Amino acid sequence: NAGVTQTPKFQVLKTGQSMTLQCAQDMNHEYMSWYRQDPGMGLRLIHYSVGAGITDQGEVPNGYNVSRSTTEDFPLRLLSAAPSQTSVYFCASSAPGRGGDEQYFGPGTRLTVT
Amino acid sequence: GENVEQHPSTLSVQEGDSAVIKCTYSDSASNYFPWYKQELGKGPQLIIDIRSNVGEKKDQRIAVTLNKTAKHFSLHITETQPEDSAVYFCASRGGSNYKLTFGKGTLLTVNP
Repeated sequence: NAGVTQTPKFQVLKTGQSMTLQCAQDMNHEYMSWYRQDPGMGLRLIHYSVGAGITDQGEVPNGYNVSRSTTEDFPLRLLSAAPSQTSVYFCASSAPGRGGDEQYFGPGTRLTVT
Repeated sequence: GENVEQHPSTLSVQEGDSAVIKCTYSDSASNYFPWYKQELGKGPQLIIDIRSNVGEKKDQRIAVTLNKTAKHFSLHITETQPEDSAVYFCASRGGSNYKLTFGKGTLLTVNP
């Protein structure tokens, strides 16, 4: 199993550009989530999904969109990038409905918006 | 929503000493409390977790204690080694959903 994979590893955007951060997992986990990590702020939940076709907002959803068309993939879209979205983004997955409480994290995407 | 406070933000110990990191949570319905270790340039990785029906759990040099009445839980690392140096995050999960709320992290440095 590859676990949770994220692409790209690094990205630089100009203000106003759009892009999609990719996340995929091969563990058949129903629960997937996106976090952003900023210095001194810990991990903050952006959006999450409890299964294909179901998404919901987390703590800091503004400026981000998600969709979940398959169990495996959970892309995060930035529609119009802003410098405040400069951060490290982590995707995670778990299977809490089947007793799998552990969230497995991907390696992260470091995004810089200039 | 849930609020998790974590202290200290930085901790420096000598190799072989013990390290303790403490967290408090606000939602009395929280029932799951994991601890994650994050090494530089990597994603967080679960090291130990505890559920609300258990007061203490131990795994080799790592232990977690939970006080539901006071709504706080702690990570204890004994006989620290340089490879324990990392950022540690506590988290809690409420009773009504699967969302984790994280503390702001503790940078642990173990000096050889």
